[in-house]
Amino acid sequence: ETGVTQSPTHLIKTRGQQVTLRCSSQSGHNTVSWYQQALGQGPQFIFQYYREEENGRGNFPPRFSGLQFPNYSSELNVNALELDDSALYLCASSLRGLGLSSYEQYFGPGTRLTVT
Amino acid sequence: AQSVTQLGSHVSVSEGALVLLRCNYSSSVPPYLFWYVQYPNQGLQLLLKYTSAATLVKGINGFEAEFKKSETSFHLTKPSAHMSDAAEYFCAVTLYSSASKIIFGSGTRLSIRP
Repeated sequence: ETGVTQSPTHLIKTRGQQVTLRCSSQSGHNTVSWYQQALGQGPQFIFQYYREEENGRGNFPPRFSGLQFPNYSSELNVNALELDDSALYLCASSLRGLGLSSYEQYFGPGTRLTVT
Repeated sequence: AQSVTQLGSHVSVSEGALVLLRCNYSSSVPPYLFWYVQYPNQGLQLLLKYTSAATLVKGINGFEAEFKKSETSFHLTKPSAHMSDAAEYFCAVTLYSSASKIIFGSGTRLSIRP
């Protein structure tokens, strides 16, 4: 069974640039959630994708957007990067379906984004 | 709205001593509760979860937590600390109907003294 993988591991960008982070979900999972974890804080929910559509969103501006592909992998895109976007971005996959909620989420190792 | 509060940003115990990490939740309806562990430079690993079945939940690595509705608490315990338990621990809450948005506490860093 393959776990959740994320790429790249580390990334350095300049303020105003755009970034794309990638996530491959665990085998058999059909739902992907993204979280932002600033230094010294708990993860904050950005959004969740199910059936290639956004299914719930946290308190993040529209410049945070995402995609889910037919193979259930996902991308997180952030436009017009700001210094405060520097954080660990975590992807979590889960299984949602008949009678199942996707609350049991399995996390990847994260992508460390630094904005200078 | 749901929330969790972790009491104590840093807890230090001696190896072999009891570990107690405190978490209180706020929810208008019965919640699902979790404890996650995060080792340095790694993602989150699920330790245990409460989903309205037994109130005493056993997890991995010898950890357990007890759901107490009257106290709105879900404290994490381990009878005997091991050096490998040193990590950041997060309490989290969600609702079945909330599109599985998990709300995390601010975390408690556990240090183990030799």
